Amino acid sequence: QQQVKQSPQSLIVQKGGISIINCAYENTAFDYFPWYQQFPGKGPALLIAIRPDVSEKKEGRFTISFNKSAKQFSLHIMDSQPGDSATYFCAASSRSGGSYIPTFGRGTSLIVHP
Amino acid sequence: NAGVMQNPRHLVRRRGQEARLRCSPMKGHSHVYWYRQLPEEGLKFMVYLQKENIIDESGMPKERFSAEFPKEGPSILRIQQVVRGDSAAYFCASSQDRVGQPQHFGDGTRLSIL
Repeated sequence: QQQVKQSPQSLIVQKGGISIINCAYENTAFDYFPWYQQFPGKGPALLIAIRPDVSEKKEGRFTISFNKSAKQFSLHIMDSQPGDSATYFCAASSRSGGSYIPTFGRGTSLIVHP
Repeated sequence: NAGVMQNPRHLVRRRGQEARLRCSPMKGHSHVYWYRQLPEEGLKFMVYLQKENIIDESGMPKERFSAEFPKEGPSILRIQQVVRGDSAAYFCASSQDRVGQPQHFGDGTRLSIL
């Protein structure tokens, strides 16, 4: 059972365009939603995260939009750059047993053409 | 990804052999998480450990897999009698405390089974 569904699987964007990646979750106990960026041959790196008490969080060119009622959240990359080409994973977690252990989506491979 | 050290980076084993993957967490971090990543898939949680304790092993296969995080030295993920299906990238992450997110990942060990 896939608790976090991510789409699209791959995305091609022109330099300067907006990249949008969507995720949906099922478990209403989730209360922390991070996004990770992974380059080939490297481990994931935390990019930005949001909690459900806000609907949007922005850090530089990266924005998370969160819709609690729809159980959906998305990552927007403004002014996409070739250096943003990577795989992006959404995740969701809850404080079960006193610790957060993220459940990951399957990932989106983003290619930004120069 | 600076700080979390995993070795070896690549490991080749024949079916039936044992694989040992090591993870040294970031300095000051006493919590370690192990994940497995298959091609075109997200990261699957395996086990969460604190020094000398297994906190959550709900993602660990029931047989052949074990993990430890001794008082001294790195965390070890051990796979006995490896099979072709064990081929994957194994990532370790660490956090400072129990409530902390596994924000800091190592660059992984790529395990190939011949």
